[in-house]
Amino acid sequence: QVQLVQSGADVKKPGASVKISCKASGYTFTTYYMHWVRQAPGLGLEWMGWIFPKNGDTNFAQKFQGRVTMTSDTSTTTVYMELSRLTSDDTAVYYCVRENWYYDYWGQGILVTVS
Amino acid sequence: DIVMTQSPDSLAVSLGERATINCKSSQSLLYSSNNKNSLAWFQQKPGQPPKVLIYWASTRESGVPDRFSGSGSGTDFTLTISSLQAEDVAVYYCQQYYSGPRTFGQGTKLEIK
Repeated sequence: QVQLVQSGADVKKPGASVKISCKASGYTFTTYYMHWVRQAPGLGLEWMGWIFPKNGDTNFAQKFQGRVTMTSDTSTTTVYMELSRLTSDDTAVYYCVRENWYYDYWGQGILVTVS
Repeated sequence: DIVMTQSPDSLAVSLGERATINCKSSQSLLYSSNNKNSLAWFQQKPGQPPKVLIYWASTRESGVPDRFSGSGSGTDFTLTISSLQAEDVAVYYCQQYYSGPRTFGQGTKLEIK
């Protein structure tokens, strides 16, 4: 069965970076886009960008450009999202999400606290 | 970017009654190649990731109870819960996957009256 397992929860200081991993299993890793969505405490869902693991192509939301990096490792079927120059506004739960036209599988989410 | 607007922001419905949530997009979500609307509905309970209920505006995800249904086309969409159960208390989001940034509605909080 499809699983997306995330790791990397942490408390970070302002100005630092955070790197979150998302290990995929149960499907052909290179066939689907992987998106990242975040949710600040008590607020809604915010799209950050996507990566296509087959060739590493990426596309980011304008507000994160220059501050976000998404990479993939086909040997371990893992995608990574790194966000730099953190501020308190980046405190949120970060999700990786598989896109099969629509979002069909979500990771469990990782809380990043910037304090 | 396509703007998604849900109404109402919150809703209280009695058990067994119908709940209706609306979603409006700033441009048509009708995908010409398959004549389907690129609109999904998600349910999110506290401490959990969102779960897809409906995609292509009206296709129910496998395992989702048939009391959940989606309708609409173009720019106006509706999620209907025909007979509210206690486990349906959650926040509901619509999302477009038609083009560009995958934008979400602001969410509708559904509670029991």
